[in-house]
Amino acid sequence: NAGVMQNPRHLVRRRGQEARLRCSPMKGHSHVYWYRQLPEEGLKFMVYLQKENIIDESGMPKERFSAEFPKEGPSILRIQQVVRGDSAAYFCASSPSVLRNTIYFGEGSWLTVV
Amino acid sequence: DAKTTQPTSMDCAEGRAANLPCNHSTISGNEYVYWYRQIHSQGPQYIIHGLKNNETNEMASLIITEDRKSSTLILPHATLRDTAVYYCIVRDSNTDKLIFGTGTRLQVFP
Repeated sequence: NAGVMQNPRHLVRRRGQEARLRCSPMKGHSHVYWYRQLPEEGLKFMVYLQKENIIDESGMPKERFSAEFPKEGPSILRIQQVVRGDSAAYFCASSPSVLRNTIYFGEGSWLTVV
Repeated sequence: DAKTTQPTSMDCAEGRAANLPCNHSTISGNEYVYWYRQIHSQGPQYIIHGLKNNETNEMASLIITEDRKSSTLILPHATLRDTAVYYCIVRDSNTDKLIFGTGTRLQVFP
């Protein structure tokens, strides 16, 4: 059973460009979570999605950031007009539909803004 | 905010048991305690979780006090590959998300 798959693993963007990070949850998982980890800091919750629904986006910056988890295909974290401060590791996690099932993390996508 | 407090760092000799404490004095009756670890530049790895009974799996043991205000993760025979940041997390019972604190940086030495 494949784990949580994230791509790209490394992404370099110039200031002002858009970054799109993709996450394919584990098979049978319909809940997706996105976290951000700035250099030398802990993981910060960003958003929690179920298929076609945003459940909790309390950790998402109000501007330039958006997330979706369509009925078909991977979850996408989109960052518009990137700035240097967006440089970080972005981790996706998934869990099955039942509450309090274990959450499993992917290996992360490293965004560098130059 | 994270509902747990952990020591910033700990050392452990290879082959010895590593005992990582965690305080969660405000935990609610239906909230689980989860442990994850993060090895440098990798995604967080699930270790174990529990509600009120002690738990054991192939990786570790989790001891939860009777009042549930604290717990201890035990790695019975630490190896160099266990060097990582260990996070104790009380899972939010309303939103189901994990809120990470600063964790304990465990250094296993030869």
